[in-house]
Amino acid sequence: KAGVTQTPRYLIKTRGQQVTLSCSPISGHRSVSWYQQTPGQGLQFLFEYFSETQRNKGNFPGRFSGRQFSNSRSEMNVSTLELGDSALYLCASSLVARGLGYEQYFGPGTRLTVT
Amino acid sequence: DQQVKQNSPSLSVQEGRISILNCDYTNSMFDYFLWYKKYPAEGPTFLISISSIKDKNEDGRFTVFLNKSAKHLSLHIVPSQPGDSAVYFCAARVAGGATNKLIFGTGTLLAVQP
Repeated sequence: KAGVTQTPRYLIKTRGQQVTLSCSPISGHRSVSWYQQTPGQGLQFLFEYFSETQRNKGNFPGRFSGRQFSNSRSEMNVSTLELGDSALYLCASSLVARGLGYEQYFGPGTRLTVT
Repeated sequence: DQQVKQNSPSLSVQEGRISILNCDYTNSMFDYFLWYKKYPAEGPTFLISISSIKDKNEDGRFTVFLNKSAKHLSLHIVPSQPGDSAVYFCAARVAGGATNKLIFGTGTLLAVQP
C-alpha cells in the first residue's frame, strides 16, 4: 500500500506571496492532519480534516487554511507569507477506527523557504 | 505551554547497549501516547504506542513504559544499533471527542556509536 505523499517536496517563495501544499493520504485513511516543524521546535499541530470537515485547529493565524476533498486528499494554503513561515510542513493520515489506536502516518514533508 | 516535554535534546549510546529516551507530560487528559523516529529530510516514522490504561508495551527491540502517577513515559531500545541514530519524538493525544490531534515533544537526538 502506498504511503502518504506530499507535493511539492521543496518550495521557495518570497514574502507576501501565497502557497498551496498538497497531501494524498494512505488509501482508506479518512483523517488528514497537518503539522509545522521549525528548527528547535517539535511538531506543531495546524489542523485536522475528516470527511471534508475541519474538526480541530491549532494556534496559528488565519493566514493558514486547509481543505479536504471527497477522495480524502488535502491541501493547505498559506497566504501573505512571512519569513517565519519557513518550515517543514508535514501531513499525516490515520485510519480513525475505534479500537485501532490513533497512529498517524506521515509523509516526507514539504520544505518551504520564504525569502 | 509545553504539555509534552523531552528534556534531553541529545543522547549518545554505544552499539549493543540500551538506549532510554524520556518524556514528561503535564496534561492528565492524555489517553494515548506514541513514539516516532525521524531521519533528516524524511517524515516521522511511527514506532510504538501505548494506551493510558496500560503501563508497558513491547514490540521487538522497542519497549514503552508509562508511569501515570509521575506523568512520565520512556522508550527503551535494546540492543541499540547504529541505524537507530535519529531524532525521537514522543506524542500524546487528548482524550475524548473525535479529534486526532497529537501534541509532540521537541525531540531527542539519539546517536548510537559503533
